[in-house]
Parts: sequence; C-alpha cells; structure tokens
Amino acid sequence: DGGITQSPKYLFRKEGQNVTLSCEQNLNHDAMYWYRQDPGQGLRLIYYSQIVNDFQKGDIAEGYSVSREKKESFPLTVTSAQKNPTAFYLCASSMTVSSYEQYFGPGTRLTVT
Amino acid sequence: KQEVTQIPAALSVPEGENLVLNCSFTDSAIYNLQWFRQDPGKGLTSLLLIQSSQREQTSGRLNASLDKSSGRSTLYIAASQPGDSATYLCAVGAGSYQLTFGKGTKLSVIP
Repeated sequence: DGGITQSPKYLFRKEGQNVTLSCEQNLNHDAMYWYRQDPGQGLRLIYYSQIVNDFQKGDIAEGYSVSREKKESFPLTVTSAQKNPTAFYLCASSMTVSSYEQYFGPGTRLTVT
Repeated sequence: KQEVTQIPAALSVPEGENLVLNCSFTDSAIYNLQWFRQDPGKGLTSLLLIQSSQREQTSGRLNASLDKSSGRSTLYIAASQPGDSATYLCAVGAGSYQLTFGKGTKLSVIP
C-alpha cells in the first residue's frame, strides 16, 4: 500500500528536551511538508522540501529543524527553543511542490510538560 | 496574503438531510482548491480537488463547486449519514508552493 507513515502516534517529552518526529512516504513524491495543528486553528506550515537535500521555512519555522537526506524521509525535530511545542503534527507529500495536491499522514500528537 | 474562511464553524443536522459547507478565499489567483475530511485525532483525507480551470467535481454523494471570481467554494453532501460526522477543511493552493487552510467546519449528523 502506498502512503505516508508517521511515528509515533503519541509522544511525551519533558520541557527542555529535543524530540524528533518521523515521516516516511512510499509514494515516490518529490515534495514533503510538515504542518502544525492547534485546536480551533487551521493547519500552519512549518517546513517544506522540494527535493532531497533542500528545504524551506514555512510560516512558523522558529524552534524547529528538518533534514531531507532521502526522498522517502523528512524528519522534524522540535527543539527546546520552541515555546509552545504541544500540538498535533501532520506530515504531507505531493508529487511536486507545484502540483498543490497533498496527501497526509495520520499525525503525531506531541505533549511537552 | 491569502486568507481562507469557513462558515459555519460547526453544523448539526438530522440524518438524511442535504447540506452545504462554505469556503471563501481572499485572493482569486489560485491553482486549485482541495476539500479534506478529518476525523478526531486523525490525519486529513482528501475528498475532492478542483483545479482553477474547473467549476466542480463530484465523488459519490459529494459535490464541490468553485467560483474563482467571487472567491467561493461549496461542498454539497447529499443524504447525510452519521458516518459523515467529521471536520471538513478546505485548502487553497496558490503562490509560494503553499496550501492555505481554513479552520474547518465540524459536522455532526444526528441519527
């Protein structure tokens, strides 16, 4: 089955710790994205990547970092610099950035206490 | 900057009713518009994608229309079922390789 997997589904961390969220896709898509979703808010773009070894900041990149060493993988690190990290994080991919048709993973809920 | 608004924020209807969800956007220079469904605690499932050159798309009981000039899209759900209960999000694809999302309409279909 082609799709996007995110792991883990739930993640708990103490304040001050960095944490990495996993995103893998087997759709052979070039572009991948990370969004953050908070209650009552629309999705907000954190980072996106057009191709391997390339990534661009989205609207709320502060306190986050990413890497794109393989086409299939786009991990997101939530650093201790992110002031309000507790949220639902969604990974997506599209054939190219200009296709604008995105497919989403199941999400990871991160809770930082 | 593109802004997307969905009204109402929540909607409750009895089973079997036909209903319309609304989405409006401020900049008509879009590439496409996508409607998604999100169940609680889950990711987004794409329902319909309308390219900027199209007026509507249909899938089963769902029909989405697009009027670029007025900055509006509607999602029509026929003969609603309790299984349709979810949050429906619309997203506009425009410049800067980004989708801009509305905050969603939470639909409850009462048996």
